[in-house]
Amino acid sequence: SQTIHQWPATLVQPVGSPLSLECTVEGTSNPNLYWYRQAAGRGLQLLFYSVGIGQISSEVPQNLSASRPQDRQFILSSKKLLLSDSGFYLCAWSVSRVAGYTFGSGTRLTVV
Amino acid sequence: RKEVEQDPGPFNVPEGATVAFNCTYSNSASQSFFWYRQDCRKEPKLLMSVYSSGNEDGRFTAQLNRASQYISLLIRDSKLSDSATYLCVVDTGTASKLTFGTGTRLQVTL
Repeated sequence: SQTIHQWPATLVQPVGSPLSLECTVEGTSNPNLYWYRQAAGRGLQLLFYSVGIGQISSEVPQNLSASRPQDRQFILSSKKLLLSDSGFYLCAWSVSRVAGYTFGSGTRLTVV
Repeated sequence: RKEVEQDPGPFNVPEGATVAFNCTYSNSASQSFFWYRQDCRKEPKLLMSVYSSGNEDGRFTAQLNRASQYISLLIRDSKLSDSATYLCVVDTGTASKLTFGTGTRLQVTL
């Protein structure tokens, strides 16, 4: 069966520090991968998606970046965090839009 | 117009009640529709897909009206454990992206 792993669960980082969040999927090949952010009390905002290794599409211009170095690995990064980067970051995978997405358990990031 | 619109609620209903949520979408090319459930401080989880003919899963019934571009979710015999935020999700008609509504909060009380 397919599983998705996301870590860490909670992160507190100072303004201006770097960020690296990792997401890995098991039990499937060539998944579509997504990074979403959910600000407190708000909806899900798509940040990046990838349909293959090295292929990244950015939805929202900001100080975040994403990479997909391996088929089932998706990384979200920032060189310098802003207060506004605080939120609940969710990684998701799918094999087709008909199947919907499966989300990881998320990382709650607080920038202080 | 937002791509997916939902009434944010909250809907406060007693146990055993029937409650219905509606959602409208703007992209007539959308083909796939879902309802997700999100518990407080947790990730969204797929509740059910929504098919053209309507579909039922236990106490949950989903309907799709393509002509009016809306989706509905009916929950019968509400349980305390149904308390959550329900997200309406629609594909964008392109690539592999889904658009999430901001969710409708349901609170079931004794």
